[in-house]
Parts: sequence; C-alpha cells; structure tokens
Amino acid sequence: KQEVTQIPAALSVPEGENLVLNCSFTDSAIYNLQWFRQDPGKGLTSLLLIQSSQREQTSGRLNASLDKSSGRSTLYIAASQPGDSATYLCAGLTGGATNKLIFGTGTLLAVQP
Amino acid sequence: DGGITQSPKYLFRKEGQNVTLSCEQNLNHDAMYWYRQDPGQGLRLIYYSQIVNDFQKGDIAEGYSVSREKKESFPLTVTSAQKNPTAFYLCASSIVGGSEAFFGQGTRLTVV
Repeated sequence: KQEVTQIPAALSVPEGENLVLNCSFTDSAIYNLQWFRQDPGKGLTSLLLIQSSQREQTSGRLNASLDKSSGRSTLYIAASQPGDSATYLCAGLTGGATNKLIFGTGTLLAVQP
Repeated sequence: DGGITQSPKYLFRKEGQNVTLSCEQNLNHDAMYWYRQDPGQGLRLIYYSQIVNDFQKGDIAEGYSVSREKKESFPLTVTSAQKNPTAFYLCASSIVGGSEAFFGQGTRLTVV
C-alpha cells in the first residue's frame, strides 16, 4: 500500500530563510506529484504539479523536484515570508485504473517576522 | 470566476440524520472527488467519479453515498451509518483522472 511521509511535521524559521520540505513515497511508482498549500480552516491551493515526464517545476519563489528512482520530492521555498505560513501537503498520483491522489500528512510552516 | 464551490461551509448533524454536502464546479472537469480530512491525518478518499453517471468507492466509502447526474455536480450524503462523521470534507476536480487537481474551500461537519 502506498504511503506518503512528509518531513518535518512542523518547521519554524525566521523571515528571509530558504527552506526545504521533504516528501517520500513507499512505492516509487509515481505517475505525477502535486504540492498544495492549506491555510487554517480552508481548502487546498495547488502550488506546483510535476507531471510524469518532468523532474521539476518552478513558480516564483517555489521550486519542486521529483526523483522517481527514490520516490522522493522536495519543495524549496526561497526567501521565506510570514505570508508563507501554512500547511504544505504533497500528493502523489500512483496511476493505474484508479488514478487516485495519495496525500501526506503535511508540514506546518511558521515564518516568524 | 471558474472554480469549485462547496456548501454549506459549516454543517451540524444530529444523531441518526442523513446530511448532504454540495459540490459544484464550473471548470468543465470530468473527474470529481470527495476527501475527508481529520486532524493529524492525511486526506482520505471517500468517492470519486471520472464521468457522469459513474462513480467508484475510495478508501473509506462506508457510511457515505454520492451521485453524479450532472457533470458540474457531485453531492455527498453522509448517512446515519457513518459512526464518526465529524470532519472537514473537501471536494476536488480535475480535467481527467490524473491531471492537476483543484479543491473547494471545504465543509466542516459536526455531530451534535
């Protein structure tokens, strides 16, 4: 059964730091991978999608990479800001007939001003 | 604006009641999904639908039912058979199964 681990579970950094969030899958057979942001009590906002033929995606200060051989993904946030404070979730699509997204439990990020 | 609308934002259920959560999308997406989120746990898939008039059970379908009569709508009914329904429910859609998923703002269901 595919399981997703996100490390660390929580992270607190001062404003301006660069940081890395990690996501790993027990089964490296991942079709694509999506990173989301969730603010308290809100739905999920899609940040980046890495499709099966890609290794990384960039959007502004965010960069996500996927190493399929190891089943690991990282989300890099440059020059962090207090507005980046949220829970970050990764989700992998394991493909096949069901095409389901399997979610990690998230990393709670706090950026201190 | 295109997007996914979930209603209501908050819902209270008495013991033994069935309640229905609404999910509407105007993104012209074929695939729609319902997830449940509990504190400290990842999102878990309840039901999904890849085409009108067809849907499949996810990992935790017991005590829930859905319908997909229109492309735009995928309502979720939480039945009295669901013994622990208090949770945050999220609806999502994508162009097809496997493409980028977009989420609504969620419905928080509480049993009173």
